[in-house]
Amino acid sequence: QSALTQPRSVSGSPGQSVTISCTGTSSDVGGYNYVSWYQQHPGKAPKLMIYDVSKRPSGVPDRFSGSKSGNTASLTISGLQAEDEADYYCCSYAGSYLYVFGTGTKVTVL
Amino acid sequence: QVQLVQSGAEVKKPGASVKVSCKASGYTFTSYGISWVRQAPGQGLEWMGWISAYNGNTNYAQKLQGRVTMTTDTSTSTAYMELRSLRSDDTAVYYCARGTGAAAARFDPWGQGTLVTVSS
Repeated sequence: QSALTQPRSVSGSPGQSVTISCTGTSSDVGGYNYVSWYQQHPGKAPKLMIYDVSKRPSGVPDRFSGSKSGNTASLTISGLQAEDEADYYCCSYAGSYLYVFGTGTKVTVL
Repeated sequence: QVQLVQSGAEVKKPGASVKVSCKASGYTFTSYGISWVRQAPGQGLEWMGWISAYNGNTNYAQKLQGRVTMTTDTSTSTAYMELRSLRSDDTAVYYCARGTGAAAARFDPWGQGTLVTVSS
C-alpha cells in the first residue's frame, strides 16, 4: 500500500485560504467516502479535523472543510489563523480494515 | 471523557521485541476497534494495523506482517501492540487511536504516544 500523495508544504497569510490535496487511487481515495484529515502540532498527537470526506467533528472550527473528486481529496482552511500552522495528514480507507496515510503537508502562516 | 493512555518510553536493542499498551477509558471498549500508527523522527504517519476489540480480528500493514501482533484484554480495556525483531528504523513514536464510524475509518481520540528507541 503506497502512501497517498500530498504537497510537502503550503503557506498563506492570516485570513487567506489554503487548500491541501491528497491523491490516491481507485483502491483507496477513489473507492470509498472514508477520507479523514488530521492536524498535528510539533510534539503532539494528531487530532481529527475532518472525517468521511467532509464531516467536521464537534469543536472543529467551520473554517476547515473537506471535499473529494475522483482519486483526490482536499482540505481547505479558510480564514487562516496563526494556530492553524501545523502538519496535516490525510488518511483513506482501503478496504478490509486497511488504511493508508498521506505523506503530510506543512502549513505555514506567513 | 474518552481517553487512551499509553505505556512509557522504551529503549531496546536490535533484534529484541517491544510491547506497547494502550488503556482505554470513558467508553465501552468492545464497541470499537483500535488502530496503531507510528511516526519515525521527522517523518510522516504510518498505519500499522487494526484490531477489533469486539472479537480480536486483526489486519496488519503488509510491510509489518510476521513481525507485529496486536491483542486486547477486555477485562482491563487495554490494547497491546508487540513488534519483534526490532531494527533501527523501527525507532519511532507509536500511537494507538480508537477507530469509530463507518469502516472504523475515523481515528479519534489518539493516545499520547510511546517513544520506542532501537539502539545498540
